[in-house]
Amino acid sequence: SYVLTQPPAVSVAPGQTASITCAGNGVGSPSLHWYQQKPGQAPVLVVYDDSLRPSGIPERFSGSKSGTTATLTISRVEAGDEADYYCQVLDGTPDVEFGGGTKLTVL
Amino acid sequence: QITLKESGPTLVNPTQTLTMTCSLSGFSLRSGGVAVGWFRQPPGKALEWLALIFGDDTKWYRPSLKDRLTITQDTSKNQVVLTMTNMEPVDTATFYCAHKDRSMTDFDYWGQGTLVTVSS
Repeated sequence: SYVLTQPPAVSVAPGQTASITCAGNGVGSPSLHWYQQKPGQAPVLVVYDDSLRPSGIPERFSGSKSGTTATLTISRVEAGDEADYYCQVLDGTPDVEFGGGTKLTVL
Repeated sequence: QITLKESGPTLVNPTQTLTMTCSLSGFSLRSGGVAVGWFRQPPGKALEWLALIFGDDTKWYRPSLKDRLTITQDTSKNQVVLTMTNMEPVDTATFYCAHKDRSMTDFDYWGQGTLVTVSS
């Protein structure tokens, strides 16, 4: 099955840019998705299919992928962006896997 | 408007079977290609996928938990039910259900989640 590795924590000052990586280790390069989860709340999809943004998600959130490593970039970070972020794939095994999550702290 | 809502016990005894229900609104599993998944998240830990069911009744399970999980659909009630046998304290988690659209591999709508504690 696919294994996704994320850094446990990322810190950034307000107004700066945050980058969260997700390294994949498995067969192929399936589409990758990103979720934001605030304390006590359900996950919210913020990027799908590597780089697409659902309606209602600010343009400050963007995704990219190079090879088997994906990156979620949050520009002009705000205090309200402080949350846990998870990457996810659905491979053909079939299996659904999440990364271990990255806690974004806004300093 | 698509919504999902989980319901079930908040406390189960060790060795008991957990039954969780996901009530669907704004869509039906009979819509071709749509699927509903179940997930869990132990306190302070990462999300973990458990099972997925499609409208044609195709079912996927997490390999490591396959022997303990059963996912079914009740189309008359527009619900998806997950059972998990032999619950242990380590299974304490918030359980979520979520919607997957046809041909997509992401989960775009999530329920609010229900915390299930396993303790005697």
